[in-house]
Amino acid sequence: DQQVKQNSPSLSVQEGRISILNCDYTNSMFDYFLWYKKYPAEGPTFLISISSIKDKNEDGRFTVFLNKSAKHLSLHIVPSQPGDSAVYFCAARKLSLNAGGTSYGKLTFGQGTILTVHP
Amino acid sequence: GAGVSQSPSNKVTEKGKDVELRCDPISGHTALYWYRQSLGQGLEFLIYFQGNSAPDKSGLPSDRFSAERTGGSVSTLTIQRTQQEDSAVYLCASSLGVVSAGGRPYEQYFGPGTRLTVT
Repeated sequence: DQQVKQNSPSLSVQEGRISILNCDYTNSMFDYFLWYKKYPAEGPTFLISISSIKDKNEDGRFTVFLNKSAKHLSLHIVPSQPGDSAVYFCAARKLSLNAGGTSYGKLTFGQGTILTVHP
Repeated sequence: GAGVSQSPSNKVTEKGKDVELRCDPISGHTALYWYRQSLGQGLEFLIYFQGNSAPDKSGLPSDRFSAERTGGSVSTLTIQRTQQEDSAVYLCASSLGVVSAGGRPYEQYFGPGTRLTVT
């Protein structure tokens, strides 16, 4: 049961153009969505997040859009740079209560999209 | 400051042997997570620690998998009687907490992972 899906395994973009990475989810209980970036032989690093009550969050060249009715989010990178070439994972958080009554959130990740930005 | 470290970086083992993977989280981070990434798949949640206790072990794929965390710091993931399907990159992440006062997730900082190959 893949609750978070990134249907494009790869994306190739020219330097300076826009990169659009897409992600679909099925669970309406997710309350936060996050994007991570991963270089080879390194762990993923956090990029940007958005609350489910928002539809857009912007940080520099990175903007995340959320369409709750379509259960779809996207990451826009403008302008794309060769250093952006990496694997991008979207992730979604669902809040739960543990046995001690404390809230915690578990992240569910998509399969990742390999972005290649050509000079 | 020092990030999350994991050891070994690579491990090749024979089917049926036990392996131990180690994670050193960022100092002061109370939450610790284990994930694994199989070939072509996204990050799959395994287990989450808050302090030394594990409120959520729901992602452990079988009873051959166990994890512990001592002193609220170092964690070890043990796989007994390894199988070929256990081959994957095992990633550890830590965070200051789980849910901030505003509900926003604390950023998870990932280690570089341990690549496990079971022959």
